[in-house]
Amino acid sequence: RKEVEQDPGPFNVPEGATVAFNCTYSNSASQSFFWYRQDCRKEPKLLMSVYSSGNEDGRFTAQLNRASQYISLLIRDSKLSDSATYLCVVNTNAGKSTFGDGTTLTVKP
Amino acid sequence: GAGVSQSPRYKVTKRGQDVALRCDPISGHVSLYWYRQALGQGPEFLTYFNYEAQQDKSGLPNDRFSAERPEGSISTLTIQRTEQRDSAMYRCASSSFTSGIMGDTQYFGPGTRLTVL
Repeated sequence: RKEVEQDPGPFNVPEGATVAFNCTYSNSASQSFFWYRQDCRKEPKLLMSVYSSGNEDGRFTAQLNRASQYISLLIRDSKLSDSATYLCVVNTNAGKSTFGDGTTLTVKP
Repeated sequence: GAGVSQSPRYKVTKRGQDVALRCDPISGHVSLYWYRQALGQGPEFLTYFNYEAQQDKSGLPNDRFSAERPEGSISTLTIQRTEQRDSAMYRCASSSFTSGIMGDTQYFGPGTRLTVL
């Protein structure tokens, strides 16, 4: 079993749709959590950090459930430009970063 | 400003040869990470440094892989006696915070595509 697991998708949604991605992690010592976005053949880039109280950045909302060791990302009003692979990332206090294999999103006109 | 740079961008080598991959982090960044990414998968942690100290090398696949960051800036990942299974994208990332701190964004370089024939 991988330390960080994501539904690989692909998720194919129309413009304007709301879509949610889930991520589970197995290391209970994990301390910080992130969502990264990776476009095809490009490097990953930080989308947002995930805080215990949940946080929102425009159309994006991230949630963390430490008890269930579960992270989510909600995208509202999807745009064509949201098409990408979304990577869940979990860090321990010791600094090791573990990435999930990503969920692929395609937003269609 | 300049981001993370990696060289070479592409490397083709024959099985059994040694290769050295270079990473230039963002100036002043404390932490530096090395990852390997296969097609369709997320980056796989290899090792990381805080300044010049290698903090964790648990992700290095075997003793053919080594990394150094002697002056706390540029880092080199070396693979000795390359094998075909070493073919992958090797990515470097740097962060302005000591690794593990909440909110430490990792900035990735463009990667080195290694092909072992």
